[in-house]
Amino acid sequence: DSGVTQTPKHLITATGQRVTLRCSPRSGDLSVYWYQQSLDQGLQFLIQYYNGEERAKGNILERFSAQQFPDLHSELNLSSLELGDSALYFCASSAQQTTGELFFGEGSRLTVL
Amino acid sequence: GQSLEQPSEVTAVEGAIVQINCTYQTSGFYGLSWYQQHDGGAPTFLSYNALDGLEETGRFSSFLSRSDSYGYLLLQELQMKDSASYFCAVRAAGNKLTFGGGTRVLVKP
Repeated sequence: DSGVTQTPKHLITATGQRVTLRCSPRSGDLSVYWYQQSLDQGLQFLIQYYNGEERAKGNILERFSAQQFPDLHSELNLSSLELGDSALYFCASSAQQTTGELFFGEGSRLTVL
Repeated sequence: GQSLEQPSEVTAVEGAIVQINCTYQTSGFYGLSWYQQHDGGAPTFLSYNALDGLEETGRFSSFLSRSDSYGYLLLQELQMKDSASYFCAVRAAGNKLTFGGGTRVLVKP
């Protein structure tokens, strides 16, 4: 158990819909990352927050947005969903802003029908 | 941007040694990490090299050569439970931790 909690674990929805994925980082970790992993693919970096502020941005679609709240939990919002958005979405956290060691949650598996 | 290359698949028998190479192109390099991911599971951190040289952690070792933009993960005394995907990841400018495409390691009895 990494200490990072993600909900929901599984989510099935229809094209055009909007979903919110939630992440609670390890206790004390200020940095939260979101990654997308499609079937048999690598981990695509979406976005990073540190203590409530956006720190780095990857190839995140405009239909996706995220934020980190004062209690340090983070939410990833996916809207106007398309079939290709079906993937595992991982949240990870770290104590430091720049580190190679991330602690990943179990992921949220999104299926868009 | 960053790009990383690693082999897509490696097969070996129990007890063998496997080396997974990773070459990268990036700006503002800070370090190279390695992660293990079993099917359906979460990536778990194995090692991080910020400086040149070899880091050993039990059966796993990781090496970095900054001048060659190259690193490798060495898996020794392979066990069946080592069957998984292994990802190298680069920490570079802009705070991004960018992952390679992963190497699937299949351990056979």
